[in-house]
Amino acid sequence: GAVVSQHPSRVICKSGTSVKIECRSLDFQATTMFWYRQFPKKSLMLMATSNEGSKATYEQGVEKDKFLINHASLTLSTLTVTSAHPEDSSFYICSARPQGLGTEAFFGQGTRLTVV
Amino acid sequence: EDQVTQSPEALRLQEGESSSLNCSYTVSGLRGLFWYRQDPGKGPEFLFTLYSAGEEKEKERLKATLTKKESFLHITAPKPEDSATYLCAVSGGSNYKLTFGKGTLLTVNP
Repeated sequence: GAVVSQHPSRVICKSGTSVKIECRSLDFQATTMFWYRQFPKKSLMLMATSNEGSKATYEQGVEKDKFLINHASLTLSTLTVTSAHPEDSSFYICSARPQGLGTEAFFGQGTRLTVV
Repeated sequence: EDQVTQSPEALRLQEGESSSLNCSYTVSGLRGLFWYRQDPGKGPEFLFTLYSAGEEKEKERLKATLTKKESFLHITAPKPEDSATYLCAVSGGSNYKLTFGKGTLLTVNP
């Protein structure tokens, strides 16, 4: 149980275009999902907390207009990187916390974004 | 502000050579301390949650322990397939955000 699916696993896009990343909890409902960014050989940096049916809460320094987050259902959250630039190239990872169960969060497989 | 410090940054072991990874933390109102394993190019894989000092959990060759200031991940007789980055994280206060350490890169040589 507690499977989180993230899609796509890899994406290459041209500078100036937008990219959407999906995060789905497959066997549980998640009222809260989290989006992280990870730089090479660095730890995970929380970008935003996504709550179903409400606006996401962004961490300090994260541009909300650049990284659009939608959490339309209890099993799906999306991150859209708008007008992507090479400096947005990174490894993006989502996690989901099962509704009503403890404090564990389970992670997706991650998305490697390369902006050329 | 919650803080997590992991040591060492990297650890090389021979197969069968037991050792421990350290995670020191400061948090306001600990909700849980978590250990994850991360393989290159993958998302973190959940290993353990510890909630209070004195708690211990085991899974195969791994055992996690918790005190009021730190947690240890003990690896007994490791195998090459245990090679990965091990991440420690804490959740505190009124939300469920995780604060991660930088991880320990474990390499187990055959």
